[in-house]
Amino acid sequence: EAQVTQNPRYLITVTGKKLTVTCSQNMNHEYMSWYRQDPGLGLRQIYYSMNVEVTDKGDVPEGYKVSRKEKRNFPLILESPSPNQTSLYFCASSPRFVPEEDTEAFFGQGTRLTVV
Amino acid sequence: KQEVTQIPAALSVPEGENLVLNCSFTDSAIYNLQWFRQDPGKGLTSLLLIQSSQREQTSGRLNASLDKSSGRSTLYIAASQPGDSATYLCAVKATGGGYQKVTFGTGTKLQVIP
Repeated sequence: EAQVTQNPRYLITVTGKKLTVTCSQNMNHEYMSWYRQDPGLGLRQIYYSMNVEVTDKGDVPEGYKVSRKEKRNFPLILESPSPNQTSLYFCASSPRFVPEEDTEAFFGQGTRLTVV
Repeated sequence: KQEVTQIPAALSVPEGENLVLNCSFTDSAIYNLQWFRQDPGKGLTSLLLIQSSQREQTSGRLNASLDKSSGRSTLYIAASQPGDSATYLCAVKATGGGYQKVTFGTGTKLQVIP
């Protein structure tokens, strides 16, 4: 079954304690991205990757890091989490963009992070 | 910077009605637009993807249109059902200069009343 898997689904942590949220896809997609979803602000792109070893900032990258060492995995790293990073996080993947071809995005189930 | 707006923010309709959800974007240089639904506490489910060269896409009771020049897309839901109750999101993908950014609207929360 084609899917994007995030772990953990729920996480409560303390300020400053480094954490990693994993994301894995089994569709051989080149493009992967991370979003955070906050009430009234919708989904905002944090980072994206167009292929292995190619990553770029989205609209809200501050306080986050990512890596793309293999095609299927795209972990999100919070080196020193703060309460304003409390949010619902989504990972997504899609095929490499090709004009006029369907490059539908698939989303994980989300990770609800609380930083206290 | 691309901005995507969805109106209305919330909508409540009786079962069986046809309805239209709106999505507008400020930068018409997009490559595609995708409509999603999100159920409470769940991830996003893709509904329809429209390429920039397309005018509309249909899937079952859903029809999405795209007018790139005016920066608008609509999602038409025919004969609404209680199971259609969810938040509907549109997202545009723009690319250029080696980047591929995705911008989401803030969503329309739909309630279909039996």
